[in-house]
Amino acid sequence: GENVEQHPSTLSVQEGDSAVIKCTYSDSASNYFPWYKQELGKRPQLIIDIRSNVGEKKDQRIAVTLNKTAKHFSLHITETQPEDSAVYFCAASPAYDMRFGAGTRLTVKP
Amino acid sequence: EAQVTQNPRYLITVTGKKLTVTCSQNMNHEYMSWYRQDPGLGLRQIYYSMNVEVTDKGDVPEGYKVSRKEKRNFPLILESPSPNQTSLYFCASSSRGGGNTIYFGEGSWLTVV
Repeated sequence: GENVEQHPSTLSVQEGDSAVIKCTYSDSASNYFPWYKQELGKRPQLIIDIRSNVGEKKDQRIAVTLNKTAKHFSLHITETQPEDSAVYFCAASPAYDMRFGAGTRLTVKP
Repeated sequence: EAQVTQNPRYLITVTGKKLTVTCSQNMNHEYMSWYRQDPGLGLRQIYYSMNVEVTDKGDVPEGYKVSRKEKRNFPLILESPSPNQTSLYFCASSSRGGGNTIYFGEGSWLTVV
């Protein structure tokens, strides 16, 4: 089955700096790569996703890039704000299932 | 309103006492799944179901059972809970399995003493 690795496990940045979280996956059949944000005590919520026929996708301060050849994808957050502080999960989905990375705890210091 | 509903949200129980965590979705989704979340380990999949009467093991199925008799419901059963099953549990659903957005329930905090 699919195996997703996520790095770093913790990330601390100053407000206004950029943050990058990286994930690798193992199953070449995976074709859908979502990112979820989980605030303390709440459920994970989808923030952005990308499909295998696209190399990059942006939504305001958030962008995701995908390199299918290398089987890795990344989340980029620019101009970070304190409200970006949360745990972020990447995931990879082949046709039948979805598996998550272990998560990155992002802290944005004011 | 589209939603995934789990119950109970919070439960403290004793070792060995069977319990069921219910999950229901109102989006007519084929795919449903259970995850447990533990510090530093992320979301680990327990079981998933691609449709009615079709279930498969995830990464950590030991000590759990599931059933999918109806499309909307996917209960998680702990036949004989143990303290190492103390965790935060999430039910999730999506349409047509992989390749689609997963929607999570609010989570169930389970403590086994």
